[in-house]
Amino acid sequence: NAGVTQTPKFQVLKTGQSMTLQCAQDMNHNSMYWYRQDPGMGLRLIYYSASEGTTDKGEVPNGYNVSRLNKREFSLRLESAAPSQTSVYFCASNRDRGPYEQYFGPGTRLTVT
Amino acid sequence: AQRVTQPEKLLSVFKGAPVELKCNYSYSGSPELFWYVQYSRQRLQLLLRHISRESIKGFTADLNKGETSFHLKKPFAQEEDSAMYYCALSDNNNDMRFGAGTRLTVKP
Repeated sequence: NAGVTQTPKFQVLKTGQSMTLQCAQDMNHNSMYWYRQDPGMGLRLIYYSASEGTTDKGEVPNGYNVSRLNKREFSLRLESAAPSQTSVYFCASNRDRGPYEQYFGPGTRLTVT
Repeated sequence: AQRVTQPEKLLSVFKGAPVELKCNYSYSGSPELFWYVQYSRQRLQLLLRHISRESIKGFTADLNKGETSFHLKKPFAQEEDSAMYYCALSDNNNDMRFGAGTRLTVKP
């Protein structure tokens, strides 16, 4: 099992460009999450999908959109990248929302110039 | 709103010394608390959760509701414990909140 996979691993964008971060899990989990990790801020939830067909905003959703393509895949889109979106992005999944272990992907390091 | 505070961004100890990573939370309900760890060039992974009352890699953490703390402790630190540690809280709304993290360095 690959667990949670993310692509790409690294990306450099110019302000105003768009891109989609891909995430997939092979653990048959219902819930999936996108976090951003910034120094001194920890992990902050951008969006989550409690189950296939649903998505909801997290703590810092502005500037992002998501798509739960199917049970396995959950993508994060930046429509018009800004320097403030420079961060490391993590995808995670677990069996259900709640006090269950979350399994994380390796992360995507995004730089917006 | 619930909050998780890790007061130390950086913590450095010598090999064999005791280590304590502090975590304080603010939450009015009954929280579920976790410690996650990220070793160099590895992904974030669960270290332990309070409900399990287990010891993982020699680490333990006790929930102190009176002091609203969930400090992570190990009596004898090892070099391989060097990593980034995150305390996290899951509330009754199923939201998971992470602290800012503490980078532990264990020196030889």
